[in-house]
Amino acid sequence: SQQGEEDPQALSIQEGENATMNCSYKTSINNLQWYRQNSGRGLVHLILIRSNEREKHSGRLRVTLDTSKKSSSLLITASRAADTASYFCAAVYRSSNTGKLIFGQGTTLQVKP
Amino acid sequence: NAGVTQTPKFQVLKTGQSMTLQCAQDMNHEYMSWYRQDPGMGLRLIHYSVGAGITDQGEVPNGYNVSRSTTEDFPLRLLSAAPSQTSVYFCASSRRGDREDTQYFGPGTRLTVL
Repeated sequence: SQQGEEDPQALSIQEGENATMNCSYKTSINNLQWYRQNSGRGLVHLILIRSNEREKHSGRLRVTLDTSKKSSSLLITASRAADTASYFCAAVYRSSNTGKLIFGQGTTLQVKP
Repeated sequence: NAGVTQTPKFQVLKTGQSMTLQCAQDMNHEYMSWYRQDPGMGLRLIHYSVGAGITDQGEVPNGYNVSRSTTEDFPLRLLSAAPSQTSVYFCASSRRGDREDTQYFGPGTRLTVL
């Protein structure tokens, strides 16, 4: 299986703190994407980082990519209760000629008010 | 636009029954796909389609059939349901299925097979 791994599996923080979650993948990627899933809902695309990029920002989100370690991190700064959700990384491997996403197992984030 | 819609929201089947999960999108997207989500497993790709009349297998295709007769619809068929198919099923679409296209997900169908 090409499925990647994420850690931690669960994270609980106080509002205002930063949350960091990590993702590892198996082989060379074209890009890596992060998605959010609120409880009982579908996934929503957050951010995409290409294999030749090392860092990307979007609002309070910061994503880093280390292709030598085949890993990525998602940092949410100044977290809010509304950030409570599950977060998934998804790799698009270089071997794929379409946008097939291979997901990690996800990190469940709880932000306490 | 309604985006990606899925029906039903919930379904309970008995082992051996058949059913079709419906997925439709109104964004004129060429690429559509089906995933299943199991606890601790993330989402796994079942089948995908790069356009009407074209389908292909994903990571976990066994026990599922798909067809794509129109751009808008991509139904997933379970021919003989098994308890191992108890899961939450998500349909997704993207504009052309290019590697950097954003995928849009439906709200999911929660299926229980007894």
